[in-house]
Amino acid sequence: GQNIDQPTEMTATEGAIVQINCTYQTSGFNGLFWYQQHAGEAPTFLSYNVLDGLEEKGRFSSFLSRSKGYSYLLLKELQMKDSASYLCAVLDSNYQLIWGAGTKLIIKP
Amino acid sequence: IAGITQAPTSQILAAGRRMTLRCTQDMRHNAMYWYRQDLGLGLRLIHYSNTAGTTGKGEVPDGYSVSRANTDDFPLTLASAVPSQTSVYFCASRKRGDTDTQYFGPGTRLTVL
Repeated sequence: GQNIDQPTEMTATEGAIVQINCTYQTSGFNGLFWYQQHAGEAPTFLSYNVLDGLEEKGRFSSFLSRSKGYSYLLLKELQMKDSASYLCAVLDSNYQLIWGAGTKLIIKP
Repeated sequence: IAGITQAPTSQILAAGRRMTLRCTQDMRHNAMYWYRQDLGLGLRLIHYSNTAGTTGKGEVPDGYSVSRANTDDFPLTLASAVPSQTSVYFCASRKRGDTDTQYFGPGTRLTVL
């Protein structure tokens, strides 16, 4: 079966750095996505990785290791507005997105 | 219209009633999707359409139907609603290209009593 695992909840302090991990087992791989979802809102696209390595975009970076079936999202200089759920999703061999349940990130002052 | 719109924003429905959730996009994306999101679970694909005139079943299609008469519209119909269909429903469209990124509508919160 297809499976994506990520922690249910994480807590971090404003100004700090947090790493959200995602491991996956899917039928085929055509890329990995990270989305941000604030409570009561739609998911919004954050990042995409298809090759191994680190993709940096401002305060957010995403890393991929295809051989390990592993990715992480790194958030630096945390702000209160970063409190949200972060969703990991893999594009499988049928070009369908398989979603993790999401990690709720709580930022404390 | 800019992006993807969904209607209604929220709805309370009696069990057994028929309901159509509307989704419209103006980005000329070929592929469109319907997901449901329930607490503690990831987004689950209900139905999808890779192009106008074609549809396919996702992970949880039972009790739902879709149509894709044109590029812009992708309505989702619950023929006879049941309480287990209480959920938040998101429509998405996909931009073909380097990343195949999906973009989401604002969602419809549906409660079936």
